[in-house]
Amino acid sequence: QKEVEQDPGPLSVPEGAIVSLNCTYSNSAFQYFMWYRQYSRKGPELLMYTYSSGNKEDGRFTAQVDKSSKYISLFIRDSQPSDSATYLCAMSGDYKLSFGAGTTVTVRA
Amino acid sequence: EAQVTQNPRYLITVTGKKLTVTCSQNMNHEYMSWYRQDPGLGLRQIYYSMNVEVTDKGDVPEGYKVSRKEKRNFPLILESPSPNQTSLYFCASSFGGGLYEQYFGPGTRLTVT
Repeated sequence: QKEVEQDPGPLSVPEGAIVSLNCTYSNSAFQYFMWYRQYSRKGPELLMYTYSSGNKEDGRFTAQVDKSSKYISLFIRDSQPSDSATYLCAMSGDYKLSFGAGTTVTVRA
Repeated sequence: EAQVTQNPRYLITVTGKKLTVTCSQNMNHEYMSWYRQDPGLGLRQIYYSMNVEVTDKGDVPEGYKVSRKEKRNFPLILESPSPNQTSLYFCASSFGGGLYEQYFGPGTRLTVT
């Protein structure tokens, strides 16, 4: 079983829709929870991170962490074609970083 | 400009021919790491380094070597590449060990025939 599970999609939504992405994990030692965005032929770039449980909002993006359920989510409101990318969840603990497989999102104009 | 650079960006080689992929960062980061990205498997950590002369294995270290002689550089060495090492490789760096803000390089696409 993988340490971090993420539905690979692909996910296709119309412009303006809410995009919902999620990951589950098994390692209780994870303390930081991140979402990265990766455009085609580029390296991942950090969208946002959360420490421990709770919600964090940054513009159209909201990250949620539920450590009791070992479940994290990312919501993208008012999605734009420029949001089309692969979204990777990541979690860290003990100087190591574990990634989900990534979900490919396409926002149709 | 703050960045992580990797070279080469693309490489096609043959089985058994030693190669090195270089990685350099200009942000004075202590932590550096190498990942490989394969379809359906996501990013998997190969090796990481918490500082100069301090390195440790990640999840998939077999067939790879690293060294950290200077803070800014962290080369990845494949002593005897095999076709199962065909992949997209990323170098990344960050301050400290929290790893919550990693900066990634542009990637190196390696094909071993």
